[in-house]
Amino acid sequence: DAMVIQNPRYQVTQFGKPVTLSCSQTLNHNVMYWYQQKSSQAPKLLFHYYDKDFNNEADTPDNFQSRRPNTSFCFLDIRSPGLGDAAMYLCATLPGKRESDTQYFGPGTRLTVL
Amino acid sequence: GQNIDQPTEMTATEGAIVQINCTYQTSGFNGLFWYQQHAGEAPTFLSYNVLDGLEEKGRFSSFLSRSKGYSYLLLKELQMKDSASYLCAVRDSNYQLIWGAGTKLIIKP
Repeated sequence: DAMVIQNPRYQVTQFGKPVTLSCSQTLNHNVMYWYQQKSSQAPKLLFHYYDKDFNNEADTPDNFQSRRPNTSFCFLDIRSPGLGDAAMYLCATLPGKRESDTQYFGPGTRLTVL
Repeated sequence: GQNIDQPTEMTATEGAIVQINCTYQTSGFNGLFWYQQHAGEAPTFLSYNVLDGLEEKGRFSSFLSRSKGYSYLLLKELQMKDSASYLCAVRDSNYQLIWGAGTKLIIKP
């Protein structure tokens, strides 16, 4: 059973055309993350939510926004995608902040910018 | 700054054993994780270490030395399906994961 779901799996957009990626979870986890991962690189944390408490990484471009309307859903909005934003976008969840808690990842959305 | 180092690529033979090393320098330490990532897919959890020593889980084992800022992932009886990237990640004092860039493991018949 899918636990962390990302839609779409593949997204093609044009340079400068806004795009929204979605993530949903059936785990009722408090924490949700958005990562950007480019080929052969480490995942780069963009944002995370602890419940409704939003945390923006200092080096996340203003072009990236996020919304979490409820526990289950989280969205990543890219307002004006550039060629450099082509990447895999990974959503992950975490039950809480116990030491042993591990992140559960969705399958990712691969974004292509033309 | 925070840093995770692991080799970029390793090659091993089917049926053999391989050890993937990871060294880290982070602001605080709240556990070290190993994830497997097949090409084009999301990372999947393999192991977690928070105390020094070896954790064994089937064909995979993970070792941690906090004093040395060092961990390794040991894969035994390698299978072709083990061809993937293996990412080391450390949870820092803010409970965020600091990720290595991953080690691409190539298994040859």
